[in-house]
Amino acid sequence: NAGVMQNPRHLVRRRGQEARLRCSPVKGHSHVYWYRQLPEEGLKFMVYLQKENIIDESGMPKERFSAEFPKEGPSILRIQQVVRGDSAAYFCASSPRGQETQYFGPGTRLLVL
Amino acid sequence: QKEVEQNSGPLSVPEGAIASLNCTYSDRGSQSFFWYRQYSGKSPELIMSIYSNGDKEDGRFTAQLNKASQYVSLLIRDSQPSDSATYLCAVYNTDKLIFGTGTRLQVFP
Repeated sequence: NAGVMQNPRHLVRRRGQEARLRCSPVKGHSHVYWYRQLPEEGLKFMVYLQKENIIDESGMPKERFSAEFPKEGPSILRIQQVVRGDSAAYFCASSPRGQETQYFGPGTRLLVL
Repeated sequence: QKEVEQNSGPLSVPEGAIASLNCTYSDRGSQSFFWYRQYSGKSPELIMSIYSNGDKEDGRFTAQLNKASQYVSLLIRDSQPSDSATYLCAVYNTDKLIFGTGTRLQVFP
């Protein structure tokens, strides 16, 4: 009974490179959420997706960030032209339906050099 | 005003004592409330959810909700050193969880 899976667990990028973070939700969950946790700060909502649809992206920076949850395969959070301020832990969560309890994956720790 | 507020701590309690963690929220229309535990370098782990006014108990944990006062609390009875972690209060708001910054709990032997 696998929980939320994220990979890679650690990712190092140089400024200007692209970061691609993957999330596979709990089997049977069709709702995926991405959160970011900056050092010594709380978790901040970024985006909420269902299969093939972005439901709420109010927490996503307007530039360089994008997310998708295709019909087949994991959800992807993509950060283009990374900057040092993007260094953070990125957590994915899933739920079976909206407004249900959300279960978090282990996170991807992104370090931008 | 922050949407979800918690005292950052640290809250230090001796082993065996009751730890009391508090949280206030600003949106009076909120209906769903959660407590997560996060160990350093790890992901948030759900401890409790509460939806109705009053107390909800699960083992050593009791969540308390007072919607009139916009207040949620978590009590940990018989605190253990393994309970030392950051406790995150979260409020569900229109498709997403709004988190407080967390209270760091230290349980000393």
